Amino acid sequence: DAGVTQSPTHLIKTRGQQVTLRCSPKSGHDTVSWYQQALGQGPQFIFQYYEEEERQRGNFPDRFSGHQFPNYSSELNVNALLLGDSALYLCASSLYQDFVTEAFFGQGTRLTVV
Amino acid sequence: QQQVKQSPQSLIVQKGGISIINCAYENTAFDYFPWYQQFPGKGPALLIAIRPDVSEKKEGRFTISFNKSAKQFSLHIMDSQPGDSATYFCAAPRGDSNYQLIWGAGTKLIIKP
Repeated sequence: DAGVTQSPTHLIKTRGQQVTLRCSPKSGHDTVSWYQQALGQGPQFIFQYYEEEERQRGNFPDRFSGHQFPNYSSELNVNALLLGDSALYLCASSLYQDFVTEAFFGQGTRLTVV
Repeated sequence: QQQVKQSPQSLIVQKGGISIINCAYENTAFDYFPWYQQFPGKGPALLIAIRPDVSEKKEGRFTISFNKSAKQFSLHIMDSQPGDSATYFCAAPRGDSNYQLIWGAGTKLIIKP
């Protein structure tokens, strides 16, 4: 079992550009959640996808959007990048009912906005 | 905005010593309080969690102590080992209808051999 895999591992983008990050959940999991972890901070919940729909959302602007595919994999899209979007973006997978208690995290994508 | 306050920000402990990290939270909508461990270049991994129908939970060298009246909980690492060197995060439930956790800012723990 490969666990939760994220791609790419590192990414450098220019302010104003758009970025897409990808996540493949752990085998058997049907729910994907995305988190932003700024340097020296704890992860902040962005949103959660289940059955190809956004089910919950944290306090993030509409520039942050996502998608879940029929195979449960997911994408995080960020438009009009700001310098403050530089962070480690984490994907966590779980079963829907275990999203809080049994989430497995990927290694993250380090996004740098210049 | 609801916060989870974690302390200390960093901690250095001698091998074999006890590491203690503290967390304070605000009102919560449900009862589940986890600690996560994160190594450099890795995502967080669940270390231990407590549902406060008990005041303490122990798993090996790791213990959560919970004080519901004070809205505080702590992580104790007994016989700390160099392999325990990592960043530790506590998390607590939000106080509204959203079924989500709010994370502390983390404690960087270094165990000196």
